[in-house]
Amino acid sequence: GQQVMQIPQYQHVQEGEDFTTYCNSSTTLSNIQWYKQRPGGHPVFLIQLVKSGEVKKQKRLTFQFGEAKKNSSLHITATQTTDVGTYFCAGRDSGGYQKVTFGTGTKLQVIP
Amino acid sequence: DSGVTQTPKHLITATGQRVTLRCSPRSGDLSVYWYQQSLDQGLQFLIQYYNGEERAKGNILERFSAQQFPDLHSELNLSSLELGDSALYFCASSSQHYTQYFGPGTRLTVL
Repeated sequence: GQQVMQIPQYQHVQEGEDFTTYCNSSTTLSNIQWYKQRPGGHPVFLIQLVKSGEVKKQKRLTFQFGEAKKNSSLHITATQTTDVGTYFCAGRDSGGYQKVTFGTGTKLQVIP
Repeated sequence: DSGVTQTPKHLITATGQRVTLRCSPRSGDLSVYWYQQSLDQGLQFLIQYYNGEERAKGNILERFSAQQFPDLHSELNLSSLELGDSALYFCASSSQHYTQYFGPGTRLTVL
């Protein structure tokens, strides 16, 4: 079955440093979504990417979808303490039912 | 507030017992998903319902079952509980655009 891996599993950064998490799928995706889960909270939808090579920005966050539609990345510029949380990607299968599989998540800790 | 409600918020029970978790999706959403999240772990997909019918099954144990009712609310039943079933259980709902909106979760503690 489809597997979606994220690296790194954990990341500690000094406030102001940049951060990147990578998401890799074992199968080609029709689209990919990113979610953020704050400590003690529930996952919250951030963005969806659909097109091959697509790049979207939300303030300090930049999201990319790979050309082969099998990988994606989330880059945060100049991290702030409010960025703390776990970031999940979620990939939708390109064929058949289009099942969604969540990635393993990257837990970000920002040191003030 | 995502618009998805889950009850109860916390549940403490003993091994061997049975519990029911309830989820009400956002107004208009036909799909309901259930996830299990153990401490500091990822989201394990359990099951999805669409308009009352089972749509997809993930790593759901045979001791667990779910259903979606005509009013679209869903229940997740966990039986013969074991210590390892202690976790956060999230429900999410989505519309045709597939974005999932998560509820606040039910924290289950099995003693």
